[in-house]
Amino acid sequence: GENVEQHPSTLSVQEGDSAVIKCTYSDSASNYFPWYKQELGKGPQLIIDIRSNVGEKKDQRIAVTLNKTAKHFSLHITETQPEDSAVYFCAARLGAGGTSYGKLTFGQGTILTVHP
Amino acid sequence: NAGVTQTPKFQVLKTGQSMTLQCAQDMNHNSMYWYRQDPGMGLRLIYYSASEGTTDKGEVPNGYNVSRLNKREFSLRLESAAPSQTSVYFCASTITGGDTEAFFGQGTRLTVV
Repeated sequence: GENVEQHPSTLSVQEGDSAVIKCTYSDSASNYFPWYKQELGKGPQLIIDIRSNVGEKKDQRIAVTLNKTAKHFSLHITETQPEDSAVYFCAARLGAGGTSYGKLTFGQGTILTVHP
Repeated sequence: NAGVTQTPKFQVLKTGQSMTLQCAQDMNHNSMYWYRQDPGMGLRLIYYSASEGTTDKGEVPNGYNVSRLNKREFSLRLESAAPSQTSVYFCASTITGGDTEAFFGQGTRLTVV
């Protein structure tokens, strides 16, 4: 089945710095790669996603890149702010054609702390 | 619009007891998922239902059963709870066939003593 590895497990930056979180996946049938932010006591919420036919996507201070050949994708947060502090998860979703179509597998999570 | 609703929010069980976690969504989504979240382990898939009438095992199905009662509801049952099942459980839903956002409930914090 699909396996998603996420690094680093913790990341500490100063306000204004950039933060980068990296993920790798194992199943080439995965075609959708969302990133989720989880604040304390809440469920994860989508912040950005990318599909397998796109190499890069940007939304204000957040960007995601995808390298299908290498099977890895990354989240980039620029000009970090204290409110960016949270747990971030990457995920990969299997596309049509496989026996586990629709299965959404998550990475282990990254605890991001932004110091004022 | 409530989104994904989970009940209960908190539960303490004794080893060997059974219980059912309830999940309902009002977004007309086809696919529903149950995850457990443990420190350092991320979100691990227990079971999922790609569409009404189908269920499939995820990474960690042992000790759990699920029922897709109808399009809206997907329940998770622990037949004989064990301390290893102490965790936070999340239900999620999404549109099948579309590369779209999965919406999560607020979670159920379960402690088995």
